[in-house]
Amino acid sequence: GQNIDQPTEMTATEGAIVQINCTYQTSGFNGLFWYQQHAGEAPTFLSYNVLDGLEEKGRFSSFLSRSKGYSYLLLKELQMKDSASYLCAVNHGSGNTGKLIFGQGTTLQVKP
Amino acid sequence: KAGVTQTPRYLIKTRGQQVTLSCSPISGHRSVSWYQQTPGQGLQFLFEYFSETQRNKGNFPGRFSGRQFSNSRSEMNVSTLELGDSALYLCASSMTSGRADEQFFGPGTRLTVL
Repeated sequence: GQNIDQPTEMTATEGAIVQINCTYQTSGFNGLFWYQQHAGEAPTFLSYNVLDGLEEKGRFSSFLSRSKGYSYLLLKELQMKDSASYLCAVNHGSGNTGKLIFGQGTTLQVKP
Repeated sequence: KAGVTQTPRYLIKTRGQQVTLSCSPISGHRSVSWYQQTPGQGLQFLFEYFSETQRNKGNFPGRFSGRQFSNSRSEMNVSTLELGDSALYLCASSMTSGRADEQFFGPGTRLTVL
């Protein structure tokens, strides 16, 4: 079966660093995505990892360990606008097909 | 470049009716995927179309169906609506259906079944 786990809620302070963890157990793996979704809006792409290691993109970094079925999203220098839901998704497709399996999402609240 | 568009944005139906939702992908994108988002289940994959062919299907009953046209626009249909079908339906497009393709999401269609 497919299982992707993330914490339901997290709270952090403006200017701080927060790490959102994601563990997965899927029968297929073709990469892991992180999406950000503000309330009432569509998800927007943040990062993609297919090989082990850290991918850095500005204030956002994402890490993947395929052997451990584990990823995290690191947000630095938090801003109030970072308050949103963060979705971890595994590309479960085989070959050239794409099929994202999403976790339930982590609601991050940034406080002043 | 215009983003993914979905119509209608909001829809209210009653149990037993059917509904058709439309998705226009970003120009040049050939892959369209559909997802259902509810507070309890989160985002769940419905199906993926690429070049008018269904390439992947999620675990939804046969009441949920879709198709893709030659211009890559896609529609999904839900027949015999149930209360539990109330959800935000999102479509996402990508250049191909390759593994590394970023999917761009549309704003969604909010379906309410009464």
